[in-house]
Amino acid sequence: SQTIHQWPATLVQPVGSPLSLECTVEGTSNPNLYWYRQAAGRGLQLLFYSVGIGQISSEVPQNLSASRPQDRQFILSSKKLLLSDSGFYLCAWSVRLEETQYFGPGTRLLVL
Amino acid sequence: GNSVTQMEGPVTLSEEAFLTINCTYTATGYPSLFWYVQYPGEGLQLLLKATKADDKGSNKGFEATYRKETTSFHLEKGSVQVSDSAVYFCALSDRGSARQLTFGSGTQLTVLP
Repeated sequence: SQTIHQWPATLVQPVGSPLSLECTVEGTSNPNLYWYRQAAGRGLQLLFYSVGIGQISSEVPQNLSASRPQDRQFILSSKKLLLSDSGFYLCAWSVRLEETQYFGPGTRLLVL
Repeated sequence: GNSVTQMEGPVTLSEEAFLTINCTYTATGYPSLFWYVQYPGEGLQLLLKATKADDKGSNKGFEATYRKETTSFHLEKGSVQVSDSAVYFCALSDRGSARQLTFGSGTQLTVLP
């Protein structure tokens, strides 16, 4: 069966520090991968998606970036965090050409 | 562009009450529709889905019917339980290669014993 992992689960970082969040999927090949952000009390905002290794599409201009160094690994990064980057970051995957997305447990980021 | 509008919460019900959470959408073409549930502190779980008009998705006593004529996908449950307390998200999927999801803003449901 397929599983999706995210780490860390919780992170507290100072403003201006770098960020690296990791997401890995097991039990499937060539998945579509997604990063979402959920700000407190708000819905989900799609940040990035990837349909293959090295292929990243950005939905919202910001100081975040994403990379996909391996087929089942998706990394969200920042060189300098802002207060507004605080939120709950969710990674998701889907079978290529199918529509249902499956979400990871999320990473709660607090920027102070 | 695509959009999803959900009824605003929070919604508070007593146990065994009937639940309706309204969801309407705007989309080009014929999207698939989803309901996801988020329990406190957790990620999202797929609750149910429907891929074409008049399809009914169902799971754990929840139901939603894809109504093309009213562009709606309302979530219903006949008798809610305390364990149903969560945030519910309506979403639609485009048919492009990336299969992106567009989410509603979520509806917080609290069920009291």
